[in-house]
Amino acid sequence: ETGVTQTPRHLVMGMTNKKSLKCEQHLGHNAMYWYKQSAKKPLELMFVYSLEERVENNSVPSRFSPECPNSSHLFLHLHTLQPEDSALYLCASSQGGSPRRDTQYFGPGTRLTVL
Amino acid sequence: KNQVEQSPQSLIILEGKNCTLQCNYTVSPFSNLRWYKQDTGRGPVSLTIMTFSENTKSNGRYTATLDADTKQSSLHITASQLSDSASYICVVSASGGSYIPTFGRGTSLIVHP
Repeated sequence: ETGVTQTPRHLVMGMTNKKSLKCEQHLGHNAMYWYKQSAKKPLELMFVYSLEERVENNSVPSRFSPECPNSSHLFLHLHTLQPEDSALYLCASSQGGSPRRDTQYFGPGTRLTVL
Repeated sequence: KNQVEQSPQSLIILEGKNCTLQCNYTVSPFSNLRWYKQDTGRGPVSLTIMTFSENTKSNGRYTATLDADTKQSSLHITASQLSDSASYICVVSASGGSYIPTFGRGTSLIVHP
């Protein structure tokens, strides 16, 4: 395994629900990331946290709200999602906070289905 | 606009055969290019990373090449195994401007016994 865990692995929710995705890294890294992976589309970087501060918000709708309480944990809070938000949500971590320079280690992802 | 195009979209080969996956990019100025392997139900795992000055990099049976002049890369898999069945993603980063890497859609490889 890569040292990055995600829970839950599968989630089905209605458009009016509120849920949270959790990510934990056991690698001692300083940066964490949220990605969205939709079928037939490239991975989309959503958020970057470096040393617990958000350094990138890639034009993500406000119905997605990240939280990074410490360098080992990352959450993605979801509310009033749309069916097109159904996708695989991947968490990653890296030693440094540069997604173009640092090797990222990915978790297994949470498969989200919005009904 | 920075783009990464991968071909073929999908590929089926027999176990033991070799194959080559292609990646063309328009990312500029170029910083580095990575190949990731993503098994079904798992996150991507980095296979290789190449910078401008490198034109080949190996990782076991995986060999990546880079031609920075033509902006092309290839991933060659030798003596394929069933465990090579996965999606292979090419990712290119620029050295200036946005530091968000540009991801390709991936090539889905199936290795049959």
